[in-house]
Amino acid sequence: KAGVTQTPRYLIKTRGQQVTLSCSPISGHRSVSWYQQTPGQGLQFLFEYFSETQRNKGNFPGRFSGRQFSNSRSEMNVSTLELGDSALYLCASSQDSSSTDTQYFGPGTRLTVL
Amino acid sequence: GESVGLHLPTLSVQEGDNSIINCAYSNSASDYFIWYKQESGKGPQFIIDIRSNMDKRQGQRVTVLLNKTVKHLSLQIAATQPGDSAVYFCAEMGGFKTIFGAGTRLFVKA
Repeated sequence: KAGVTQTPRYLIKTRGQQVTLSCSPISGHRSVSWYQQTPGQGLQFLFEYFSETQRNKGNFPGRFSGRQFSNSRSEMNVSTLELGDSALYLCASSQDSSSTDTQYFGPGTRLTVL
Repeated sequence: GESVGLHLPTLSVQEGDNSIINCAYSNSASDYFIWYKQESGKGPQFIIDIRSNMDKRQGQRVTVLLNKTVKHLSLQIAATQPGDSAVYFCAEMGGFKTIFGAGTRLFVKA
């Protein structure tokens, strides 16, 4: 099976712009979670989707949003970019709705905000 | 609030030695714990997991120990190899989200 894929792998934006990141989960996986990774804050949970519904959300401002499509692919959007949004954005998928189901991560999208 | 943390931010070991990476968690209600390995430029990779009804689980060269009394988790890597050099994260799962620790960087000296 192919792993979790994320596009694009690298992105450079300027302050005030918006960005959309894409994640394709492992085939058959219905849950997708997003994380932000920075040297200072480590891995922080953004949100989790299952069957097109957001089930949980981390402590991020409303500028961060996401959605999931019927084929389980997911996108996240960041509007009005700030310098502090520069980070590695990771997507993880898991098979079903169990809260203890193992997550498998993609390679991430490296976002740089200038 | 809930948190998962690590005792040692860096660990340096000689090739062939055993490595032990420690982690503390604070939510006694968590019932599932995972160790991930992250190499440079890659996403975290699942290593091993353990549920709260167990205190030990073994994989290939790795063992995870769970002590619920003191809310402590450890990852033991036997015969550490240069390819084991990476950042290791413990994680606690509950409520459809995963809380990660800060990470420990493991250096393996040849």
